[in-house]
Amino acid sequence: DIQMTQSPSSLSASVGDRVTITCRASQGISNYLAWFQQKPGKAPKSLIYAASSLQSGVPSKFSGSGSGTDFTLTISSLQPEDFATYYCQQYNSYPITFGGGTKVEIK
Amino acid sequence: EVQLVESGGGLVQPGGSLRLSCAASGFTFSSYAMSWVRQAPGKGLEWVSAISGSGGSTYYADSVKGRFTISRDNSKNTLYLQMNSLRAEDTAVYYCAKSPIQWLVPSPGPYFDYWGQGTLVTVSS
Repeated sequence: DIQMTQSPSSLSASVGDRVTITCRASQGISNYLAWFQQKPGKAPKSLIYAASSLQSGVPSKFSGSGSGTDFTLTISSLQPEDFATYYCQQYNSYPITFGGGTKVEIK
Repeated sequence: EVQLVESGGGLVQPGGSLRLSCAASGFTFSSYAMSWVRQAPGKGLEWVSAISGSGGSTYYADSVKGRFTISRDNSKNTLYLQMNSLRAEDTAVYYCAKSPIQWLVPSPGPYFDYWGQGTLVTVSS
């Protein structure tokens, strides 16, 4: 199975900050990488697929990059509604696997 | 508007069975692969199973293979997950998720564009 490792596991940031979350795959996954946002008690919301393509309706303050084993999610200017937990997911091969999550908290 | 509404969760004893349903609307259900993803209390996301748009291809996580069966009724726009021989470690919120692809192949697998709100399954005596 492909292991997905996210870092950091949590971070504190202020409104307006630029935030970067990293996801590393245990083996190469090309660009078959997605990112999700989840707020407490809510379903995940899809943000990015194919490492850098924005899902329909997702604001451009979210961006993704990377290929192979190393990927990043960047939020250009953190807003109050962005405080949540973010997960990466590889879909290069079965079983589909997720990272452990990065909780973004208010500083 | 795409809507996915799960139902069928509840409390079940170890060794018992449960069938989850996911009612879909707002898109041509038979044209898209669907998956189940679960989240244990306070934990991360775990993919459970996927099914192609026609229902002809299915994939399972090793943790549920032989115990869970994914299926769909395209005439009713509904996805199912039959869960047998349930264990305490199956306790989780179960989400259904839509993929923007119809067919499933060994690689790459599906990613997800829409998710339901989830249904809680608790396995306990």
